[in-house]
Amino acid sequence: DAGVTQSPTHLIKTRGQQVTLRCSPKSGHDTVSWYQQALGQGPQFIFQYYEEEERQRGNFPDRFSGHQFPNYSSELNVNALLLGDSALYLCASSSLQLKEQFFGPGTRLTVL
Amino acid sequence: GDSVTQMEGPVTLSEEACLTINCTYTATGYPSLFWYVQYPGEGLQLLLKATKADDKGSNKGFEATYRKETTSFHLEKGSVQVSDSAVYFCAQDYNQGGKLIFGQGTELSVKP
Repeated sequence: DAGVTQSPTHLIKTRGQQVTLRCSPKSGHDTVSWYQQALGQGPQFIFQYYEEEERQRGNFPDRFSGHQFPNYSSELNVNALLLGDSALYLCASSSLQLKEQFFGPGTRLTVL
Repeated sequence: GDSVTQMEGPVTLSEEACLTINCTYTATGYPSLFWYVQYPGEGLQLLLKATKADDKGSNKGFEATYRKETTSFHLEKGSVQVSDSAVYFCAQDYNQGGKLIFGQGTELSVKP
């Protein structure tokens, strides 16, 4: 049983560019959450998707947007990248019944 | 607002020493509480959890008790191993399956 997978593993972008990160949830999970983890910090909640809709959102600007597909996979999009967007982006999946969140290995984004 | 505070690291111990990592939380309700562990270059793994006051979570020799009166969830282990070296995050989940609020993490280094 594959766990949560994320792609790509690493990404380097320049300021002002746009980026798309991808996440496939654990089998049987229908809810995907995204977190940003800056170096030396705890993860910060970006948003959560369920039934292809944004269910909750953290304190992140509109430059951060997402999408969930019918197969429950999800994308995180970040527009107009800033240097401060450099971080590890973590995806977590869960089911509405069991609620425990399982994390993927993350995508390391570097903005130059 | 809701938050989680952990003792600052890094913590360096010798193998077989006792470990305590302090964690306190502020919440408007009664959240579930979690400890996650992050090994170098990896995502987060759930170590243990407790869903209500006086519950004790345990796993792999680690324990933590949900103390409502002191709003604490301290992580303990009686005898640490070199393989326990990692970053440990305390977290709360007020919405039961919604966003997780993390502490800043505590790095543990165990020397042989």
